[in-house]
Amino acid sequence: GQQVMQIPQYQHVQEGEDFTTYCNSSTTLSNIQWYKQRPGGHPVFLIQLVKSGEVKKQKRLTFQFGEAKKNSSLHITATQTTDVGTYFCAGAGYQGAQKLVFGQGTRLTINP
Amino acid sequence: NAGVTQTPKFQVLKTGQSMTLQCAQDMNHEYMSWYRQDPGMGLRLIHYSVGAGITDQGEVPNGYNVSRSTTEDFPLRLLSAAPSQTSVYFCASSRGQGRFSEAFFGQGTRLTVV
Repeated sequence: GQQVMQIPQYQHVQEGEDFTTYCNSSTTLSNIQWYKQRPGGHPVFLIQLVKSGEVKKQKRLTFQFGEAKKNSSLHITATQTTDVGTYFCAGAGYQGAQKLVFGQGTRLTINP
Repeated sequence: NAGVTQTPKFQVLKTGQSMTLQCAQDMNHEYMSWYRQDPGMGLRLIHYSVGAGITDQGEVPNGYNVSRSTTEDFPLRLLSAAPSQTSVYFCASSRGQGRFSEAFFGQGTRLTVV
């Protein structure tokens, strides 16, 4: 079945440092989504990528979708304490599959 | 507009007991799903539904039943609770079929089975 692997599992940075999390799928995806979950909270949608090679930016966050539509990344520039949380990628596969499969998530902690 | 509402927020069960986790959405979304979240495992799909009367299994369906009699409600039933089902459960809904749209999550139910 479709699997979505995400690395690293944990990342601790100093405030102001950059952060990147990577997502890889065992199958080609129709689209990929990114979510953020604050400690004790629920996942909240950040963005969806659909096109091969797509790059989208949200202020300090940059999202990329690979050319083969099997991998994606989220990069945060100059982290702030408000960026603390777990970041998940979630992929939807082809062949009519209606399932959204999540990666294991990357937990980001920040030293102020 | 409440979004996705899950009840209860917390629950303690004894091994072998059954219970139903409730999920309701008021956004007229066709797609609804249940996930469980365990440390280091991310969000794993239990069951999902693409519309009223239609359900299908996700990655970890064993021990759980679902039904979708209305667009709004998607309850998750634990038939005979086991300690391995201790987890945080999230219900989600989204508008899309074919091309996914943003998923909205409920606040979660923290379940402990003793």
